[in-house]
Amino acid sequence: GDSVTQMEGPVTLSEEAFLTINCTYTATGYPSLFWYVQYPGEGLQLLLKATKADDKGSNKGFEATYRKETTSFHLEKGSVQVSDSAVYFCAYSQGGSEKLVFGKGTKLTVNP
Amino acid sequence: DVKVTQSSRYLVKRTGEKVFLECVQDMDHENMFWYRQDPGLGLRLIYFSYDVKMKEKGDIPEGYSVSREKKERFSLILESASTNQTSMYLCASSFARTGGPDTQYFGPGTRLTVL
Repeated sequence: GDSVTQMEGPVTLSEEAFLTINCTYTATGYPSLFWYVQYPGEGLQLLLKATKADDKGSNKGFEATYRKETTSFHLEKGSVQVSDSAVYFCAYSQGGSEKLVFGKGTKLTVNP
Repeated sequence: DVKVTQSSRYLVKRTGEKVFLECVQDMDHENMFWYRQDPGLGLRLIYFSYDVKMKEKGDIPEGYSVSREKKERFSLILESASTNQTSMYLCASSFARTGGPDTQYFGPGTRLTVL
C-alpha cells in the first residue's frame, strides 16, 4: 500500500553542519508532501510543504523539493543550529484527502 | 494565535478504567484528528472527524471511540484501558478545503500510562 519512508535516526551533527534527511514515498498520482517538526515537549508543527511536482518548500532555512521522478522529498539545511534539535516527520496526503500519512520520524541532535 | 489544547499533559490510569482524552481548538476548524505516537512507529491515525457528529476510522481504531458534539471539541475514549494503550496521544485540527489537505495544527500531547 501507500507509504512514506524516511531515514532512520538518530542523526547527530555539529553546529553549522549540512543536514539531509531523506524521505521517499510510494503512492500513485500526485500526493501533497509535508515536513513537520516536533520540538522537545511539544506537538508537531508544519515546517514546509509542496503540493505539485518540482515545487520547493522552504522555511527557517530548511528546503525540500518535490521530485516526482524519484518519488522523494528530502529535507535539507545548509547550516544547522542547536535550536534545530527536534524530531522531523515526513508526511503525504493522497488524492485530496484531508488525512496525512506520516513517516516514523527522524531525531536530530545538534551539538554546539 | 492558533491554539489546540489537550486536557492533560500526563495521565496515569489502571487497566480496565474508562479514559477520556479531551481536545479543544479555537480556530473554527472543521477537521479534527486523534493520533498516537510510539517510538519507532511514528504517528498513527486513530480517528478523524470532518464535522460535528461525523467520524471516520483511521488506521488503528480498535479499542478506541470518539465523540464530537461541538465543533471545537473532540474527545477520545478508551472504553477499557489496557497496558498496550500506554502511549503519547496527539490531537490535531485543520480547515476543510477542496483540492488537498490544509495545515494540521497539533496540541502538545497527552502522555498516558496504563498500569
